[in-house]
Amino acid sequence: DIQMTQSPSSLSASVGDRVTITCRASQSIDRYLNWYQQKPGKAPKLLIYVSSNLQSGVPSRFSGSGSGTDFTLTISSLQPEDFATYFCQQSYSPPRTFGGGTKVEIK
Amino acid sequence: EVQLVESGGGVVRPGGSLRLSCAASGFTFDDYGMSWVRQVPGKGLEWVSAINGNGRTIGYGDSVKGRFTISRDNAKNSLFLQMNGLRAEDTALYYCARDGGYSGYIDAWGQGTLVTVSS
Repeated sequence: DIQMTQSPSSLSASVGDRVTITCRASQSIDRYLNWYQQKPGKAPKLLIYVSSNLQSGVPSRFSGSGSGTDFTLTISSLQPEDFATYFCQQSYSPPRTFGGGTKVEIK
Repeated sequence: EVQLVESGGGVVRPGGSLRLSCAASGFTFDDYGMSWVRQVPGKGLEWVSAINGNGRTIGYGDSVKGRFTISRDNAKNSLFLQMNGLRAEDTALYYCARDGGYSGYIDAWGQGTLVTVSS
């Protein structure tokens, strides 16, 4: 199985900060990397699919990049509604494993 | 509007069985692959199983292989997860989810149904 490692596991940031979350795969997954946002008590929400494609309705301050084994989710200017937990997921091969999550907290 | 509504969760003893259902609406059900994803409250996400639109291609996570069976009824716009041989570590919130495309990402989620395995 492909292992997905996210870092950091948590971070504190202020409104307006630029935030970067990384996800590393244990083997090459081409560009088949997706990012989700989850708020407490809610289902996850798709942000980015296939490395860099912004899901419809997601603000443009979210962006994704990477290929092979190393990927990045960037929030260009953190907004109050962005405080949440973010998960990466590979969909290159089953099982479609998730990263452990990154909790973004208010500084 | 895409809607996914899970049902069938509950409390079951170790070794027991449970069948989860997911009622889908707002889209052409058999055009989409579907998945089950679970989450221990406060913890991470675990992909459990997926099935393609015609039901012929199926995959399972290692932790449930041989115990869980995914199926779908396209005539009733429904997805199922038959869970046998349940263990304490299967305790989680189970989400029904829609695969957004051939790339395997999930673009719609239900609100989840809670499964608790306890004696």
